[in-house]
Amino acid sequence: DIQMTQSPSSLSASVGDRVTITCRATQTISSFLNWYQQKPGQAPKLLISFVSTLQSGVPSRFSGSGFGRDFTLTISSLEVEDFATYYCQQSYTNPYTFGQGTKLE
Amino acid sequence: EVQLVESGGGLVQPGKSLRLSCAASGLNFEDYAIHWVRQTPGKGLEWVSGISWNSDKIIYADSVKGRFTISRDNAKNSLYLEMNSLKTEDTALYYCAQDIAEMCTTPTLHIWGQGTMVTVSS
Repeated sequence: DIQMTQSPSSLSASVGDRVTITCRATQTISSFLNWYQQKPGQAPKLLISFVSTLQSGVPSRFSGSGFGRDFTLTISSLEVEDFATYYCQQSYTNPYTFGQGTKLE
Repeated sequence: EVQLVESGGGLVQPGKSLRLSCAASGLNFEDYAIHWVRQTPGKGLEWVSGISWNSDKIIYADSVKGRFTISRDNAKNSLYLEMNSLKTEDTALYYCAQDIAEMCTTPTLHIWGQGTMVTVSS
């Protein structure tokens, strides 16, 4: 199975900060990497698909990059509503695994 | 309003069965693949199973293969998960989630339900 490791596991930040979350796969997954945001008591929400494709309605302060094994999610200037947990997920091969999450607080 | 609503969760003993349902509204249910994903505090998010738009392709995680069966009824805008031989480690919040694609082999999950809780305990 491909393991997805996110770092950091938690991150303390402030409104206006630039934040970067990394996700590393144990083997190459090409560009089959998605990012989700989850707030307490809610289902995950797809932010970015295939490394860098921003979903409709997602603010442009979110961006993604990477290829192969190493990927990043960047929030250029944190807003209050961005404090949540973020997950990466590989869609390259079964089982389609998620990272353990990065809690932004 | 686009939404997915899961139901059928509950408390069940190990070895027993349970059937989850997911009702879709406000979206083109029949055009897209759809999946089950579960979440626990300890193991996080785990993809469970997926089914293509026309049910031709069905895939499972090894942890549930042979015990769980996914199916869909496009005429009823519904997805199902038949869970047999349940184990304590199947305890989780189960979400259905619609894919952005027809096929289920590159899960990219853009519409999620709110989940239904399954607790397996004696």
